[in-house]
Amino acid sequence: EAQVTQNPRYLITVTGKKLTVTCSQNMNHEYMSWYRQDPGLGLRQIYYSMNVEVTDKGDVPEGYKVSRKEKRNFPLILESPSPNQTSLYFCASSFSGGALSYEQYFGPGTRLTVT
Amino acid sequence: AQSVTQPDIHITVSEGASLELRCNYSYGATPYLFWYVQSPGQGLQLLLKYFSGDTLVQGIKGFEAEFKRSQSSFNLRKPSVHWSDAAEYFCAVGYSGGGADGLTFGKGTHLIIQP
Repeated sequence: EAQVTQNPRYLITVTGKKLTVTCSQNMNHEYMSWYRQDPGLGLRQIYYSMNVEVTDKGDVPEGYKVSRKEKRNFPLILESPSPNQTSLYFCASSFSGGALSYEQYFGPGTRLTVT
Repeated sequence: AQSVTQPDIHITVSEGASLELRCNYSYGATPYLFWYVQSPGQGLQLLLKYFSGDTLVQGIKGFEAEFKRSQSSFNLRKPSVHWSDAAEYFCAVGYSGGGADGLTFGKGTHLIIQP
């Protein structure tokens, strides 16, 4: 089954404790993105990647890091989480090229709480 | 910068009644338009998309949307809502030039269904 998976689905952590949220897709997509969803703000893009070793900042990159060492994986790293990073996070992937590159396939989401 | 406006934060509709959710996007060449639905506690599911051609597009679950370039709108409609349609709805837009940087999302419309 074609899908985007994220782990963990739920995470409660404390301020300053480094964490990684994993994302993996099995559709051989070139493009991958991370979004955060906050009430009243919709989804905002954090980082995106066009291919292995090619990443760039989205609209709200502060406090986050990403890496793309393999095509299928795109982990999101919070090196020193703060309470304002409490949010619902979505990983997404898409094909490259043309209109289809805009059609995002989303993972199930990771709900992160930072205390 | 690209922007998407969903003017209605909440909408309440009686079961069986018709529905229209509004979406306006900032001017830009050749927009690619999407509607996603997020049921409570769930991820994002694509309802429908517009790339080109016929401006009235059909989606899943009985939804349709009409692209009106002159009004910069892409409103979502359903002739008769069901209680299971209660969810958060997001309009999103991408502009030609490359989809790697994902979509710009509206802030969402929360749909409440009255029995």
